Amino acid sequence: EAGVAQSPRYKIIEKRQSVAFWCNPISGHATLYWYQQILGQGPKLLIQFQNNGVVDDSQLPKDRFSAERLKGVDSTLKIQPAKLEDSAVYLCASSQLSSGGIYNEQFFGPGTRLTVL
Amino acid sequence: AQSVTQPDIHITVSEGASLELRCNYSYGATPYLFWYVQSPGQGLQLLLKYFSGDTLVQGIKGFEAEFKRSQSSFNLRKPSVHWSDAAEYFCAVAGNTDKLIFGTGTRLQVFP
Repeated sequence: EAGVAQSPRYKIIEKRQSVAFWCNPISGHATLYWYQQILGQGPKLLIQFQNNGVVDDSQLPKDRFSAERLKGVDSTLKIQPAKLEDSAVYLCASSQLSSGGIYNEQFFGPGTRLTVL
Repeated sequence: AQSVTQPDIHITVSEGASLELRCNYSYGATPYLFWYVQSPGQGLQLLLKYFSGDTLVQGIKGFEAEFKRSQSSFNLRKPSVHWSDAAEYFCAVAGNTDKLIFGTGTRLQVFP
């Protein structure tokens, strides 16, 4: 079974430029997550989708970050314009459909390392 | 609010020595608890999880963890560390939703 795919693996941009990351979850996984992992910290949830709807985006800086999952499969996370403090690893994860308070394991992709100069 | 504390930022052990990584959590009820491992350039891999039942849980790669409600702890252990265990280890907690709250991680270095 293929895992969570992410691209690109590395990206270097200058501040004020825009950037986009792509994630393809495990086939059949309805729930998709984007995390931001700043160096020296644990991952922090940015946004959670269930199918193509947003479940939780409370930690997403909406003035510069946006994410979509139009067909309920793959997803794109965009930053525009980027700031120095956005340098981090962006992790995508997926899990089976959440229901009834039952926890479903999240499977993580390899991440995209973003450097903002 | 849920939170996780990993008091040790960096631990160094010799190969073959035993290992214990500490994790303390804050949550009002019995949480779901997890340990993940992250090797350089890799995503997070689940080592083990605790949902309920036996407080000593076994995971992959010879790891185990013990849930102690009275101490709000979920420490990770391994009796004999291998050089390939060098990585970053994250403890995480989830409540009655899917939202994972991670600790800041412990970097494990293994000397031959």
